[in-house]
Amino acid sequence: ELKVEQNPLFLSMQEGKNYTIYCNYSTTSDRLYWYRQDPGKSLESLFVLLSNGAVKQEGRLMASLDTKARLSTLHITAAVHDLSATYFCAVDMRGSSNTGKLIFGQGTTLQVKP
Amino acid sequence: NAGVTQTPKFRILKIGQSMTLQCTQDMNHNYMYWYRQDPGMGLKLIYYSVGAGITDKGEVPNGYNVSRSTTEDFPLRLELAAPSQTSVYFCASSFQRNYGYTFGSGTRLTVV
Repeated sequence: ELKVEQNPLFLSMQEGKNYTIYCNYSTTSDRLYWYRQDPGKSLESLFVLLSNGAVKQEGRLMASLDTKARLSTLHITAAVHDLSATYFCAVDMRGSSNTGKLIFGQGTTLQVKP
Repeated sequence: NAGVTQTPKFRILKIGQSMTLQCTQDMNHNYMYWYRQDPGMGLKLIYYSVGAGITDKGEVPNGYNVSRSTTEDFPLRLELAAPSQTSVYFCASSFQRNYGYTFGSGTRLTVV
């Protein structure tokens, strides 16, 4: 059974600081996704990582994937208040059936303080 | 382009009542999914569909049913609502397996 674990689950940080959110998963997969959710809102796609060593960057966020370590990271550079949200990683349930089912981590709630 | 549309946005049900959560997408996506999100938790897959006429169970299907008669629509039916079904329900669609999901705005359901 595929399990996806994020840490930390809650992160309070000062503006201007750097930090990393970790996403570990338990079985083989080569597709990983990051989403952002603002309070009371839906989920918005941030990054799609489709191979070992994939790195994607958008503004102050950078995501990477190491399929051998079964680990993805979401790095935040010089955080600003607008980045306050909950971030989810999700892993494709790799198997013989091409269903696109995703297993989500618990989410990391990021709070950026002035 | 509306994307994924869910209705209603909010609903309060009494125990034992039934209802259908509607989900429509106008992107011609073959893949559609229903997830539930409990407070402070990640998303759990209820049902999914890889095309019209094809549906299958996810991680937490008990108490729910789905149908997929058209590419656009993927309604979720709750029979005999229970307090444990109090949650936020998200419908999502995907063009292909590698593209990630487009989510609807969600339905917040309370069963009392």
